[in-house]
Amino acid sequence: QSVLTQPPSVSAAPGQKVTISCSGSSSNIGNNYVSWYQQFPGTAPKLLIYENNKRPSGIPDRFSGSKSGTSATLGITGLQTGDEADYYCGTWDSSLSAGFFGGGTKLTVL
Amino acid sequence: EVQLVESGGGLVQPGGSLRLSCAASGFTFSSSSMTWVRQAPGKGLEWVAYIKEDGNDKYYVDSVKGRFTISRDNAKNSLYLQMNSLRVEDTAVYYCARGRVGGVFWGQGTLVTVSS
Repeated sequence: QSVLTQPPSVSAAPGQKVTISCSGSSSNIGNNYVSWYQQFPGTAPKLLIYENNKRPSGIPDRFSGSKSGTSATLGITGLQTGDEADYYCGTWDSSLSAGFFGGGTKLTVL
Repeated sequence: EVQLVESGGGLVQPGGSLRLSCAASGFTFSSSSMTWVRQAPGKGLEWVAYIKEDGNDKYYVDSVKGRFTISRDNAKNSLYLQMNSLRVEDTAVYYCARGRVGGVFWGQGTLVTVSS
């Protein structure tokens, strides 16, 4: 059971926008940076967002991150069928002195 | 080019041991904190362990405390995970990654299967 809660699945049509939430507490999201990862079956996770809202080089600006209080959100605009993947949030928990990932959200582009 | 290459996975019986290795290249390993993350078949990512740059501070998920040990050799640009008293529920693909909770660099993963 993770300390971070994500919806199991989200879906939207091509070209539309989707948001994925990640809910935590003051000891994790509330006081630490959040990162977001994209994972396709059989491959390693890929960093999409770090330090709440920064994109690594090569990540298109269709992907965005935000944080408010003890929750974080990943936004994806201009959805493409190639965006169908699992998405995970991750952060450190200062009270537990451990890292955590959310349970993951499966994105379906209808 | 940055590379993280895991090795050492395989089939082991419950109660057995394995040592995973992660060979790093293309970045300053000695200045990088490193993490092990695992993923059981069909499941999500699980953070396992983290070690700071100098190897003096180590952190573990509760389920592996006392059984797993993370270590590093900065002279060899290598990260390790010694896994003892393995359980069926430790079956997973194990990834090494740069950073405290993953990061931009990940290895391809090595599969550990614990089964009798």
